Amino acid sequence: DIQMTQSPSSLSASVGDRVTITCRASQGISNYLAWFQQKPEKAPKTLIYAASTLQSGVPSRFSGSGSGTDFTLTISSLQPEDFATYYCQQYDFYPRTFGGGTKVEIK
Amino acid sequence: EAHLLESGGGLVQPGGSLRLSCAASGFTFSSYVMSWVRQAPGKGLEWVASISSSYGSTFYADSVKGRFTISRDDSKNTLNLQMNSLRAEDTAVYYCARELLVIARVVIDYWGQGTLVTVSS
Repeated sequence: DIQMTQSPSSLSASVGDRVTITCRASQGISNYLAWFQQKPEKAPKTLIYAASTLQSGVPSRFSGSGSGTDFTLTISSLQPEDFATYYCQQYDFYPRTFGGGTKVEIK
Repeated sequence: EAHLLESGGGLVQPGGSLRLSCAASGFTFSSYVMSWVRQAPGKGLEWVASISSSYGSTFYADSVKGRFTISRDDSKNTLNLQMNSLRAEDTAVYYCARELLVIARVVIDYWGQGTLVTVSS
């Protein structure tokens, strides 16, 4: 199975900060990488797929990059509604696997 | 817009069975791969199973293989998950998800709101 390693597991940031979350796959997955956002007690929401394609309706302050084994999710200017947990997932192979999550908290 | 509504969760004893359903609307259900993803209390996301469109090919996580069965009824726009031999570690919120075909792979683009399954005596 492909292991997905996210870092950091948590971070504290202020509104307006630039935030970067990384995700590493244990083997190459081309660009078959998605990012999801989950707020407490809510269902996940798809932000990005194909490593860098924004899902419809997702603000342009979110961006993704990477290919192969190393990927990045960037929030260019953190907004109050962005405080949440973020997960990466590879969808190149079954079983699908998720990263452990990154909790973005208010500083 | 796509809408997914899960039902069937509840409290069940270890070794028992439960059947989850997901009612889909707002899109052509039969054309999409569908999946179940779960989240244990305070934990991360775990993919459980997927079923293809057309031929109904199925895929399972090792943790549920042989105990869970994913199925679909395209005439009723419904996705199901039959869960047998339930264990305490199956306790989780179970999400139904639609998968979008993008460049030869499918990826989750819509999620249901989830249904809680609690396995306890």
